Amino acid sequence: KQEVTQIPAALSVPEGENLVLNCSFTDSAIYNLQWFRQDPGKGLTSLLLIQSSQREQTSGRLNASLDKSSGRSTLYIAASQPGDSATYLCAVSRSGNTGKLIFGQGTTLQVKP
Amino acid sequence: EAQVTQNPRYLITVTGKKLTVTCSQNMNHEYMSWYRQDPGLGLRQIYYSMNVEVTDKGDVPEGYKVSRKEKRNFPLILESPSPNQTSLYFCASSHLKKSGTGGMNYGYTFGSGTRLTVV
Repeated sequence: KQEVTQIPAALSVPEGENLVLNCSFTDSAIYNLQWFRQDPGKGLTSLLLIQSSQREQTSGRLNASLDKSSGRSTLYIAASQPGDSATYLCAVSRSGNTGKLIFGQGTTLQVKP
Repeated sequence: EAQVTQNPRYLITVTGKKLTVTCSQNMNHEYMSWYRQDPGLGLRQIYYSMNVEVTDKGDVPEGYKVSRKEKRNFPLILESPSPNQTSLYFCASSHLKKSGTGGMNYGYTFGSGTRLTVV
């Protein structure tokens, strides 16, 4: 059974810091991994999608890496800003499956001015 | 604008009163799904649909129904809501490439959510 774990559960950093959020999964037979952002009480906004054949994806100040063999992904946020404060969720989609996403519990990030 | 639209955004209802949460997507996605999000339990899949007239249960289907009569719409029906269905609900859609007995999605787009309270 696929399990997705995100560490840390919460993170508080001063503005301007570079930071790394971690995601690990137990079954390496994934098709892709997606990082989402969720603001309190709001929907999920897709940040980055990494196909299983890829090693990383970049969008602006965000960079996500994927190491399928070790069951890990990291989301790197450069030069953090208060507007980055949110919960970040990673989710994996398994090959040959029903298309279901398995989510981690999320990392809640607070960036202090 | 490519999007998944859910309605209503907020709903308070009483136990046993049937309700429907609508979901519509304008991206011609084959795959649609419903999730619920609860504190400490995270996001769990309720039902999914791989195409028109093809639906199946997710991890927590009890107390819910769905239908997929048109490609763009995937309503979630609660025939007799109960307080344990109080939750934040999300609809999502994705392109789906069929593979063997299953499928592989190309990344999800989520709706803004429906916060349901059953009293």
